[in-house]
Amino acid sequence: ETGVTQTPRHLVMGMTNKKSLKCEQHLGHNAMYWYKQSAKKPLELMFVYNFKEQTENNSVPSRFSPECPNSSHLFLHLHTLQPEDSALYLCASSLRLAADNEQFFGPGTRLTVL
Amino acid sequence: AQSVTQPDIHITVSEGASLELRCNYSYGATPYLFWYVQSPGQGLQLLLKYFSGDTLVQGIKGFEAEFKRSQSSFNLRKPSVHWSDAAEYFCAVGAQSNYQLIWGAGTKLIIKP
Repeated sequence: ETGVTQTPRHLVMGMTNKKSLKCEQHLGHNAMYWYKQSAKKPLELMFVYNFKEQTENNSVPSRFSPECPNSSHLFLHLHTLQPEDSALYLCASSLRLAADNEQFFGPGTRLTVL
Repeated sequence: AQSVTQPDIHITVSEGASLELRCNYSYGATPYLFWYVQSPGQGLQLLLKYFSGDTLVQGIKGFEAEFKRSQSSFNLRKPSVHWSDAAEYFCAVGAQSNYQLIWGAGTKLIIKP
């Protein structure tokens, strides 16, 4: 596998379920990001990790819990979500945590909360 | 407030015709400017970027964009579109002082055969 991969690609869950999204980058990058993409809205940055350390949590509800065990892997643990959390969740990585660094995106996980 | 506006939610263009997608921004610092493309079922891919220098930048897939400081714009152009260009296009702005990008809401490009 090359680039940024995300699993699963699609996920349907009830509001009481617990599930996890996985992201893996094979690019040797040091920064990783979780974004939420909703139709007709700008991308919302949720979490940022730099060298495995969380550097950003953009007021994301605690029902979303990120984990970064190493620079190549990023997880988003989901618990007691709401229907408005249905969206495409994108993972991205960049070599350095800087605005001039290209971000490489995975294909996303399409999440539906029933 | 910092913001990026892509005025057109959808644009329909005939195959072979020229294309211009608009992006306007409001940003206090000297901006870094980006265009990303998202094909159906895929993540975003960088088309081109502007940091400084020549205000006309060339990108991948035959795209170019022009930075106009006086108009706070960074419009994306292509002289002749192909059916494979059908996708959603996102403009984003950043700065040296802040790694977070400000994103536009996207423009969906539809290609008529």
